Amino acid sequence: NAGVTQTPKFRILKIGQSMTLQCTQDMNHNYMYWYRQDPGMGLKLIYYSVGAGITDKGEVPNGYNVSRSTTEDFPLRLELAAPSQTSVYFCASSYSLAASTDTQYFGPGTRLTVL
Amino acid sequence: DQQVKQNSPSLSVQEGRISILNCDYTNSMFDYFLWYKKYPAEGPTFLISISSIKDKNEDGRFTVFLNKSAKHLSLHIVPSQPGDSAVYFCAASYGNKLVFGAGTILRVKS
Repeated sequence: NAGVTQTPKFRILKIGQSMTLQCTQDMNHNYMYWYRQDPGMGLKLIYYSVGAGITDKGEVPNGYNVSRSTTEDFPLRLELAAPSQTSVYFCASSYSLAASTDTQYFGPGTRLTVL
Repeated sequence: DQQVKQNSPSLSVQEGRISILNCDYTNSMFDYFLWYKKYPAEGPTFLISISSIKDKNEDGRFTVFLNKSAKHLSLHIVPSQPGDSAVYFCAASYGNKLVFGAGTILRVKS
């Protein structure tokens, strides 16, 4: 099992450019998540998905879009990159939604810089 | 509005000694608490958790203590090993909500 994989590991974008952060999991988890971590801050939930075709906003969704066409993949799209989106992005997946019943498994992260 | 706070950005401990990482929370709705560990260039991995109905949970060298009246939890690592050097995130949840602290960098010196 590869677990949760993310690509790319690093990326530098210019203001206004767009890109897609890829996330794939091979654990057949229904639930997937995107977080961002800014320096000195905890992980903030951007979007999550409870299954193929179903997504919902988290705490900080502005400037991002997601889709979930398969159980395995949950890409995160940045349409018009802004310096405020400079962060480390983590994808995660879990068997259930409640933390008390199942832990989340995280990918290694994508470090994004917007200049 | 940081509902989960880890007030110590970093901690340095000698190998073999006890490491104590602290976490405070403000929302009394939280009923489940977790610690995650993160090495450089890797994602966080689950370490240990505790339900609000308990005040202690132990797993090998790792023990988490919960003080509900003080809204405080702590992670004890005994004895500390150089391989424990990592960032430790405290997280709190209720229902489907999960809130993370900013993390504490632990350095265990040999």
